[in-house]
Amino acid sequence: DVKVTQSSRYLVKRTGEKVFLECVQDMDHENMFWYRQDPGLGLRLIYFSYDVKMKEKGDIPEGYSVSREKKERFSLILESASTNQTSMYLCASTGGASSGNTIYFGEGSWLTVV
Amino acid sequence: EDQVTQSPEALRLQEGESSSLNCSYTVSGLRGLFWYRQDPGKGPEFLFTLYSAGEEKEKERLKATLTKKESFLHITAPKPEDSATYLCAVQAGGTSGSRLTFGEGTQLTVNP
Repeated sequence: DVKVTQSSRYLVKRTGEKVFLECVQDMDHENMFWYRQDPGLGLRLIYFSYDVKMKEKGDIPEGYSVSREKKERFSLILESASTNQTSMYLCASTGGASSGNTIYFGEGSWLTVV
Repeated sequence: EDQVTQSPEALRLQEGESSSLNCSYTVSGLRGLFWYRQDPGKGPEFLFTLYSAGEEKEKERLKATLTKKESFLHITAPKPEDSATYLCAVQAGGTSGSRLTFGEGTQLTVNP
């Protein structure tokens, strides 16, 4: 079974703090994603990566950056957290056509910025 | 721009009462349409992928169908454990990184 692991399930951070959300997948997938999920807005794509050190902006990249130094690990960085970044963050990965293009999700990280 | 609209937003059924969830989409060249189930506080769990109009897939009490404009998730004789939010997403052809565009979901409640 594909496993996407998000290291932090619940975090509380202060406004202005730098926040790191870590994600690891164990299936040697090329593509990894970060989404955020908010009531009434659904899942929105923040950033994705299709290879090590490669990244592309999604629909809502403002206020976020990402890092992919190793194939299995994709990090989301909030340089200076703000209260409007309080949300559930979901990491996902896919192997592309070799896995039917199916995207698998982690359990989510609940971030509260106070 | 790819768009996905799910209806209804919420659906309440009695155990055993069959129904359908709708997912309407517009996409520039469909590569795949995906259905996920999401329980409260958890990440989406993959259910089905449909690739072309006329395709159908089944899993236990769930059956997904696809036309050129919409997909249906049919739930036959649902049980309380089927209660969850069901998400529909599309993947466009030629999209780098296999990204998905999601609908807002249908929250299903099945009462015993």
